[in-house]
Amino acid sequence: DAGVIQSPRHEVTEMGQEVTLRCKPISGHNSLFWYRQTMMRGLELLIYFNNNVPIDDSGMPEDRFSAKMPNASFSTLKIQPSEPRDSAVYFCASSGSRDTFPLHFGNGTRLTVT
Amino acid sequence: QKEVEQNSGPLSVPEGAIASLNCTYSDRVSQSFFWYRQYSGKSPELIMSIYSNGDKEDGRFTAQLNKASQYVSLLIRDSQPSDSATYLCAVTASGGSYIPTFGRGTSLIVHP
Repeated sequence: DAGVIQSPRHEVTEMGQEVTLRCKPISGHNSLFWYRQTMMRGLELLIYFNNNVPIDDSGMPEDRFSAKMPNASFSTLKIQPSEPRDSAVYFCASSGSRDTFPLHFGNGTRLTVT
Repeated sequence: QKEVEQNSGPLSVPEGAIASLNCTYSDRVSQSFFWYRQYSGKSPELIMSIYSNGDKEDGRFTAQLNKASQYVSLLIRDSQPSDSATYLCAVTASGGSYIPTFGRGTSLIVHP
């Protein structure tokens, strides 16, 4: 079991640039979550997919953020255009069932927007 | 709005002592409760889950749940410096919403 795989581990970009974060969930897991973590706000849910379908995207900050899950083994989170306030650690997590957590987290992507 | 509250700490305890971490939640229909440990610069990892009132023990860890008072706690016995981390409380509700709500975490420091 390779765990949840995220890439890149670190991303430094300039304001206004497009950023794409990638996630491969654990094979067989059908729930996928994107979280953002900052010192000020803690761990915030951005979007939740179940069986590749977005179920709850109420945490997506604004239209600059978008997420896709084209198949069961891949998801992306895109920020366009990026802003300095988007700087945070972005975690992807997956779960095997809606009824049985826990979430298995990836190692995260540390995003810095200058 | 569902809220999960934790004291941010830091909670400082000497090695060998019992560390007590607390969490309160606002949603009365919450059903599942989890404690995650997060080392600095790392991702959260599950250490305990509890679903019914009472205590659940796993090694040096004991989770305690009191649904009437809407709190869940984590006790760490014989604390070790390696237990120094941030501990996140997470709560999920029944009724179709299985999305966990996380507290902001309590920083624990175990000093030798």
